[in-house]
Amino acid sequence: DADVTQTPRNRITKTGKRIMLECSQTKGHDRMYWYRQDPGLGLRLIYYSFDVKDINKGEISDGYSVSRQAQAKFSLSLESAIPNQTALYFCATSDSQGRGSGYGYTFGSGTRLTVV
Amino acid sequence: AQRVTQPEKLLSVFKGAPVELKCNYSYSGSPELFWYVQYSRQRLQLLLRHISRESIKGFTADLNKGETSFHLKKPFAQEEDSAMYYCALSPIQGAQKLVFGQGTRLTINP
Repeated sequence: DADVTQTPRNRITKTGKRIMLECSQTKGHDRMYWYRQDPGLGLRLIYYSFDVKDINKGEISDGYSVSRQAQAKFSLSLESAIPNQTALYFCATSDSQGRGSGYGYTFGSGTRLTVV
Repeated sequence: AQRVTQPEKLLSVFKGAPVELKCNYSYSGSPELFWYVQYSRQRLQLLLRHISRESIKGFTADLNKGETSFHLKKPFAQEEDSAMYYCALSPIQGAQKLVFGQGTRLTINP
């Protein structure tokens, strides 16, 4: 059972298209994050949300937007996709109270996005 | 600004040999440090955090504030330890907005 589910797992899209990546969780965590992973660059934070009404930019938010539809759902949108947004995208969650496994993140399986 | 540096992109050791994955950080306050692991075709998983001072799968990591390091060590490497390892820092204890290093790909040779 996946606690943090990302859809789609893989996506190929054309330059200029709008695309949405979705993340849902059954952990009951209040905090959610979007990262992108690039070879040699590690994981970089795009956006994060500490609760439903809280949205914050990360270090590389340009070209992206997010929506926290509910505590369990956090979507990432690329309004007009460009090739350098080709990457592996991860959603993560955490519990502000550190319950269960503590303050560490729980990650989704990732979405591999290719912009051609 | 906070920064995490993993100087080795690739590390290869033989089974049974000791392994050390290096992690250095830059932060003026008191950080919370983590190690995450990503096995082939799997999601990232929390391996350990410095606060809990645990040993997970034989790995340990000690926070050295003087050297601003949080190196991951295991005395006898196993083939199943082959994976991508990420060191991460949280600027304020409990704030949970992690900054990740670039990652080290560890390969254990039989």
